[in-house]
Amino acid sequence: KAGVTQTPRYLIKTRGQQVTLSCSPISGHRSVSWYQQTPGQGLQFLFEYFSETQRNKGNFPGRFSGRQFSNSRSEMNVSTLELGDSALYLCASSLDVLNTEAFFGQGTRLTVV
Amino acid sequence: AQKVTQAQTEISVVEKEDVTLDCVYETRDTTYYLFWYKQPPSGELVFLIRRNSFDEQNEISGRYSWNFQKSTSSFNFTITASQVVDSAVYFCALIYNNAGNMLTFGGGTRLMVKP
Repeated sequence: KAGVTQTPRYLIKTRGQQVTLSCSPISGHRSVSWYQQTPGQGLQFLFEYFSETQRNKGNFPGRFSGRQFSNSRSEMNVSTLELGDSALYLCASSLDVLNTEAFFGQGTRLTVV
Repeated sequence: AQKVTQAQTEISVVEKEDVTLDCVYETRDTTYYLFWYKQPPSGELVFLIRRNSFDEQNEISGRYSWNFQKSTSSFNFTITASQVVDSAVYFCALIYNNAGNMLTFGGGTRLMVKP
């Protein structure tokens, strides 16, 4: 059974640009969550999607958005990139929304220059 | 508000020593779930355990054991006879009821096991 796949693994962008990150969950999993990991702030929840609907959102500006497709794959988008957006972005896949264990991908390391 | 505190930012031990990673949590909910994850250098978080707030039984899995005490709001993790492969960052996390799968993480403890 394939794990959680995140693409790309590494990305370098310039300030002001926008970026789209992709996450394919484990087959059969319908919940996808996104987290940002930085040395200063640690692991912070961005948002969770289930059945194409955003269920929870963390405390991030509107520049951060996401969506989920009918096949449960998810994308997150960051517009008008800032240097502080440099981070490891982790996607987590869960079977449903009942507080189940999450399985994480290897992340996308975004560097904003 | 929910909060998870891992006071130990870094621990260094010699192989075969036992080590305990501390986790203290805060929540006003009576129903919640506690987790431990391991993050090796590759970056992905590896699920280790989930406990719900109504189950205070300690759990042992091989060299790993967990001690959940609601009276002190702690969920500590012990590795017995540590090995070099245990070197990683360990995160304690909390989900409160009705929060879906929204994990609140502690700051993590970096464990270094030296040969």
